[in-house]
Amino acid sequence: EAQVTQNPRYLITVTGKKLTVTCSQNMNHEYMSWYRQDPGLGLRQIYYSMNVEVTDKGDVPEGYKVSRKEKRNFPLILESPSPNQTSLYFCASSLSSGFDEQFFGPGTRLTVL
Amino acid sequence: GDSVTQMEGPVTLSEEAFLTINCTYTATGYPSLFWYVQYPGEGLQLLLKATKADDKGSNKGFEATYRKETTSFHLEKGSVQVSDSAVYFCALGGSQGNLIFGKGTKLSVKP
Repeated sequence: EAQVTQNPRYLITVTGKKLTVTCSQNMNHEYMSWYRQDPGLGLRQIYYSMNVEVTDKGDVPEGYKVSRKEKRNFPLILESPSPNQTSLYFCASSLSSGFDEQFFGPGTRLTVL
Repeated sequence: GDSVTQMEGPVTLSEEAFLTINCTYTATGYPSLFWYVQYPGEGLQLLLKATKADDKGSNKGFEATYRKETTSFHLEKGSVQVSDSAVYFCALGGSQGNLIFGKGTKLSVKP
């Protein structure tokens, strides 16, 4: 089944404790992206990647890191999480760019205390 | 910069009512336009899209027409069902090959 998977689905952590949210797709897509969804703000892009080893900042990259060492994986790293990073996070992938149909993962709900 | 503005919700309708969710955009050039839908507890999924002026995207009874003159891409459905209850996001293809989303409109359909 073609899908985007994210882990964990739910995470409660404390300020400053490094964490990684994994994202994997099995559709051989070139493009991958991370978004955060907050009430009243909609979806905002954090980082995106057009291809392996190519990543770029989205609208709200501060406090986040990403890497794209393999085509299928695009982990999101929070080196020192803070409460303002409490949010619902989505990973998405598409064939070659953001203009192609994006397939979204189920989301990761992160709470930083 | 590029941006999308869509009507604020929530929108509450009775089953079989007519639905319109307004969406306008600001962009240089002629971007591709999209509607994504998010059902409760799920990620977003593409509902329909249009890539040039006057194009009409359609899917599952929903339609939207790319209006260059009014920079709009309003979503419509003639007769909504309870199963259409979801959050709807308008989006445009940004100049950097990314998607720029509106804030979303929550639709609740009552039986």
